Amino acid sequence: EPEVTQTPSHQVTQMGQEVILRCVPISNHLYFYWYRQILGQKVEFLVSFYNNEISEKSEIFDDQFSVERPDGSNFTLKIRSTKLEDSAMYFCASSSQGGRSNTEAFFGQGTRLTVV
Amino acid sequence: AQSVTQPDIHITVSEGASLELRCNYSYGATPYLFWYVQSPGQGLQLLLKYFSGDTLVQGIKGFEAEFKRSQSSFNLRKPSVHWSDAAEYFCAVGGGDDKIIFGKGTRLHILP
Repeated sequence: EPEVTQTPSHQVTQMGQEVILRCVPISNHLYFYWYRQILGQKVEFLVSFYNNEISEKSEIFDDQFSVERPDGSNFTLKIRSTKLEDSAMYFCASSSQGGRSNTEAFFGQGTRLTVV
Repeated sequence: AQSVTQPDIHITVSEGASLELRCNYSYGATPYLFWYVQSPGQGLQLLLKYFSGDTLVQGIKGFEAEFKRSQSSFNLRKPSVHWSDAAEYFCAVGGGDDKIIFGKGTRLHILP
């Protein structure tokens, strides 16, 4: 069964450092997403990406964040200068359709980011 | 504003007992509704979804959910839980744009 793969499963980084979280979406999917879940809180939407550009982003997704699809298979989330409050589980998701036609987003297993 | 409320943070049931997890939503248009499950150390797995049609939706692992527009609810049910059902369950709503709005989740504990 096709799945969304995220690496690493756990990343520890020092405050102020840059981190890149990697995702391999399902191969024929066109819509890509990042969500995050701070410990004990709900899963929150960060950004959606389609046709090599951001289609929507939340208030959380400020200038410290960026996304990229560098090679047609990977989908990355970069945090330029991490803060303690960036510590969370980050989920990548992909879907074959988006918007009103969005039928199902498939989620990866997540990357737990710990900023120390 | 779009929102999802799961009023129960924790629920404990005995193995073999029935289960109902509550979910209420606020959404301006016709919503798309989802239930996801997250087992410890795992990602989010879709249990079931409602887009239109029959308001009683069947999902995987023996789960079902009923959409009640008048109550803005989409409660998840299972007639007989198994120990392997212990997990966190998230209700979510989506619709006219790309994002999915999640509730805070309900952690299900199963007593042997």
